[in-house]
Amino acid sequence: GAVVSQHPSWVICKSGTSVKIECRSLDFQATTMFWYRQFPKQSLMLMATSNEGSKATYEQGVEKDKFLINHASLTLSTLTVTSAHPEDSSFYICSASPSWDSTYEQYFGPGTRLTVT
Amino acid sequence: DAKTTQPTSMDCAEGRAANLPCNHSTISGNEYVYWYRQIHSQGPQYIIHGLKNNETNEMASLIITEDRKSSTLILPHATLRDTAVYYCIVRANTGFQKLVFGTGTRLLVSP
Repeated sequence: GAVVSQHPSWVICKSGTSVKIECRSLDFQATTMFWYRQFPKQSLMLMATSNEGSKATYEQGVEKDKFLINHASLTLSTLTVTSAHPEDSSFYICSASPSWDSTYEQYFGPGTRLTVT
Repeated sequence: DAKTTQPTSMDCAEGRAANLPCNHSTISGNEYVYWYRQIHSQGPQYIIHGLKNNETNEMASLIITEDRKSSTLILPHATLRDTAVYYCIVRANTGFQKLVFGTGTRLLVSP
């Protein structure tokens, strides 16, 4: 149980276009999901906390108008990278916490590799 | 900023125990110690967590010092598939707290 999926697993897009990444909790409901970004040979950096039915909370330095997060249901959160540029190329990872889990454990998706040309 | 300190890298021979240390000298009373690992180009995988008692599961053992200022993750019989970056994270279990990843320890298991 507690499986999180991401789609797509990898995507290549042209500079200036927008890309949407989906994060789904397959066998549980998740009130809260998290979005991370990881550049090559670096650690994961939290971008934002996504709460179902409310606005996301962004970490300092993350542009909320560029990285649009929507958490419209208890099993789906989306991250849209708007007007992507080559410096947005990165590995994007989501995690989700089951609503029923009192330890608030986070389960991670497999990640989405974005390349902007 | 991450509240833990880990060695940058470690080597281990296949079949031997891998002991990964972590310092968390500023840990608060309500914070747990979590361990995750990340195999190349994959999402992090939960390993184990504990508060103050030693913990063991099918993947690993977690030894926390009595003063809780440091801990050691033990992989009893390392395999080549255990090659990964291991992250030690401290986090309270009150509400949906975010995980702050440090630089982790890159463990290389060799034949």
